Amino acid sequence: DQQVKQNSPSLSVQEGRISILNCDYTNSMFDYFLWYKKYPAEGPTFLISISSIKDKNEDGRFTVFLNKSAKHLSLHIVPSQPGDSAVYFCAALDQTGANNLFFGTGTRLTVIP
Amino acid sequence: ETGVTQTPRHLVMGMTNKKSLKCEQHLGHNAMYWYKQSAKKPLELMFVYNFKEQTENNSVPSRFSPECPNSSHLFLHLHTLQPEDSALYLCASSQPGQGDYEQYFGPGTRLTVT
Repeated sequence: DQQVKQNSPSLSVQEGRISILNCDYTNSMFDYFLWYKKYPAEGPTFLISISSIKDKNEDGRFTVFLNKSAKHLSLHIVPSQPGDSAVYFCAALDQTGANNLFFGTGTRLTVIP
Repeated sequence: ETGVTQTPRHLVMGMTNKKSLKCEQHLGHNAMYWYKQSAKKPLELMFVYNFKEQTENNSVPSRFSPECPNSSHLFLHLHTLQPEDSALYLCASSQPGQGDYEQYFGPGTRLTVT
């Protein structure tokens, strides 16, 4: 059973607008969350993370929001740029466990110039 | 070389072949991982090594055999694979502890089993 879900396989956004990528999780023990970005023919690269003691973490154009009660997190990219076009993976882990990451299936973001 | 490298980048093999995937990390990390990524599925953790010791085997069939001779190198030996084993195999490394959970990935090996 998938513990981390990204229900939107794809998203298209106009350049300059906001991109919102969503992620849901089922395991209430997850307390640390990461977003990865993947270009074709490359491995995933770390983008931004958030601990469950926070509800928001911002890094430049990227902001991650965490809603623990809803078991939901989202990644906001603003303004979106064509170079942001990639597949974005959400990942979660239980810091008291084996520290293994559980990944979602990814959302392909296309930013239209 | 920097980061995490994987060779080969592409591999086509028959079901009776024996081949190996190689991963090397130049980050001084103590943990290394093998993941499998199939189409429309999440990355699936296969094996975890901490300080060269295997700490996780995620119910992976025995036709996949990992080897970690030192903290910088990780191999995945393949034999008598099935067509459903065709996937992207990703290696990653990390430095566990101190609240740093980020894993650094290699570019992957695209495996096709014919």
